[in-house]
Amino acid sequence: QQQVKQSPQSLIVQKGGISIINCAYENTAFDYFPWYQQFPGKGPALLIAIRPDVSEKKEGRFTISFNKSAKQFSLHIMDSQPGDSATYFCAASNSGAGSYQLTFGKGTKLSVIP
Amino acid sequence: DAGVTQSPTHLIKTRGQQVTLRCSPKSGHDTVSWYQQALGQGPQFIFQYYEEEERQRGNFPDRFSGHQFPNYSSELNVNALLLGDSALYLCASSPKGRGPQHFGDGTRLSIL
Repeated sequence: QQQVKQSPQSLIVQKGGISIINCAYENTAFDYFPWYQQFPGKGPALLIAIRPDVSEKKEGRFTISFNKSAKQFSLHIMDSQPGDSATYFCAASNSGAGSYQLTFGKGTKLSVIP
Repeated sequence: DAGVTQSPTHLIKTRGQQVTLRCSPKSGHDTVSWYQQALGQGPQFIFQYYEEEERQRGNFPDRFSGHQFPNYSSELNVNALLLGDSALYLCASSPKGRGPQHFGDGTRLSIL
C-alpha cells in the first residue's frame, strides 16, 4: 500500500515559470514532510522540509504548502531554471512515535526548458 | 566536512551470490539508514542502525542484514541474490535518528 502519492510523474516547465509538484498522504500520524532533489547518478539531497504546525515554508525559490485537513502538501519552484531539472521526491515520517523511516513518493521528473 | 560516503560505486554479481556494501556517515552523525531505490521509483526503507543495534526494519526479507561498527560506519549484506535485487542502494545518516537524513550517492548493484 503506497502511503505517499506523488503527481505528476513528469513535468515540463519553461525557464522562469513555476513548477508545482503535489503529494498526498494517508497516515495521519506523519509529522515530518521533506522534499528531496536527485540528479542522475547522485543520491537524494534535502531541499526543504515542513512540519504540520505551519501551512507554508519558504526557502529561496522553493516553497512548501501544507494542507493538514486534506492530507496534502506541495512543492512550488519559482522562477524555474534549467539547473533545476532533476527528479523530485516528497517523503513523510512519523518522528513522534519513534519511527525513523522515510516513506517516499514515486518521484517527479522535472525538465526546465530554456 | 565529508558527507556520507558509500563504497563501492558499482557492483556486478550473479544470482545466488552474496554482497556487502559499506557506508560512512556524515561527520557528527551516529545513525545510519539503508534504502533500496529501484529504477524509476522512490527509495524504500530497509533498516536503521543506532548504537550498533538495528532499531527499525522495513518490509525486506531476512536475506538483507546489516551491521554498525563503533565508529558509526555500517555495512549492508544481501545473501542469495535475486535478479530483483538489482537497484541503487542508498545510505543516509542523521544525528541520533532524528533530524534531516543526509544521503550518499549510493551503490549501483546489478545482478546477472
